[in-house]
Amino acid sequence: DTEVTQTPKHLVMGMTNKKSLKCEQHMGHRAMYWYKQKAKKPPELMFVYSYEKLSINESVPSRFSPECPNSSLLNLHLHALQPEDSALYLCASSQDQLGARETQYFGPGTRLLVL
Amino acid sequence: AQSVTQLGSHVSVSEGALVLLRCNYSSSVPPYLFWYVQYPNQGLQLLLKYTTGATLVKGINGFEAEFKKSETSFHLTKPSAHMSDAAEYFCAVSDGSARQLTFGSGTQLTVLP
Repeated sequence: DTEVTQTPKHLVMGMTNKKSLKCEQHMGHRAMYWYKQKAKKPPELMFVYSYEKLSINESVPSRFSPECPNSSLLNLHLHALQPEDSALYLCASSQDQLGARETQYFGPGTRLLVL
Repeated sequence: AQSVTQLGSHVSVSEGALVLLRCNYSSSVPPYLFWYVQYPNQGLQLLLKYTTGATLVKGINGFEAEFKKSETSFHLTKPSAHMSDAAEYFCAVSDGSARQLTFGSGTQLTVLP
């Protein structure tokens, strides 16, 4: 089973709202990733967790707050977002982050619209 | 530093024709190379990857790619296009010491009936 699940599929939120995106995998992977993807663009890395510790933060604004409660679960907490944050948010996981040679398995994404 | 260039942001082929999507990379050390496909409103799915060993890599859905070190290329091919191949394709590189993938800008493949 190479499935990464993400909920919700779609999310509409106002600029003052607080919401969370959820990602789950049961492949025993120890690295998990959040990406942001704008239309017709490649994914942009936001955060990487390795062994449940934040490994990479690509200078993401603090209105995005990641959390890794356990090795199977990854959350992205959203607060005071801007309309330009509207995008497809993709979660991915890999066996390990070592050398980035491991295959990353992607979830279907959450399409976020900020009004 | 590593980088990826995908030549042609849009490629159109007729159904049954050869598919050729171009990818050139830059890496200071032997790279790991990946091709991902993204169907509309979906996540990315791995088509194939090259790490070491045989330079001709076969993937899912009849796709294959050849690693050519002298040309720093990793072009994706499929002998006969199918309508279901219409999607966005991303080439990605990791040089092993990097802690993340670097994606190309993507190629939108259209298959004409």
